[in-house]
Amino acid sequence: AQSVTQLDSQVPVFEEAPVELRCNYSSSVSVYLFWYVQYPNQGLQLLLKYLSGSTLVKGINGFEAEFNKSQTSFHLRKPSVHISDTAEYFCAVSDQRGYQKVTFGIGTKLQVIP
Amino acid sequence: EAGVAQSPRYKIIEKRQSVAFWCNPISGHATLYWYQQILGQGPKLLIQFQNNGVVDDSQLPKDRFSAERLKGVDSTLKIQPAKLEDSAVYLCASSLYPGFSGTGGTGELFFGEGSRLTVL
Repeated sequence: AQSVTQLDSQVPVFEEAPVELRCNYSSSVSVYLFWYVQYPNQGLQLLLKYLSGSTLVKGINGFEAEFNKSQTSFHLRKPSVHISDTAEYFCAVSDQRGYQKVTFGIGTKLQVIP
Repeated sequence: EAGVAQSPRYKIIEKRQSVAFWCNPISGHATLYWYQQILGQGPKLLIQFQNNGVVDDSQLPKDRFSAERLKGVDSTLKIQPAKLEDSAVYLCASSLYPGFSGTGGTGELFFGEGSRLTVL
């Protein structure tokens, strides 16, 4: 069984300030890790993913995330946020084998304040 | 490349009525997922298809929900009869399966825009 914990349900941050959205996971097998973003009234779209290799992965819109196996974490960061980053962010894990069930966290609402 | 198509985008029904949602995945994607997203929560997997076979429906309320994927392409999710707590966005997603056409699947999902259901 696998699970995802997003520690913050809402994160308010001023425009141009840095932000970190936290994600921890639990799994009995090796996993792939993802961050998805959901803008209002839209489906989810992939922000970035960790499959293997370098633990620091870069995604779209200036976001990056670092995989920490010992801490079982995959925190999302951006050095300077923009108003357009206001959205909900979901961390997700997928089994590397089998039918690759994908499990999502409850989401973190990022509110960028002008 | 066309994305995942879903319809209808919005549906309002009375409780105890029935409703159906349709999804057409990205061409060539063997895996299709239906997720339920209740307001303020993360997506919850209802059912996962591999081609036209079900590989996970452990969280599908089978007394009222049903889903099929005929011919391994598009899919329909039905709710009958609907309850108030079924009000949610129903998201369809698709992904590559490992080894499909020589490329490995990674569990990366491609989502449609969702179908928002309101049950009154």
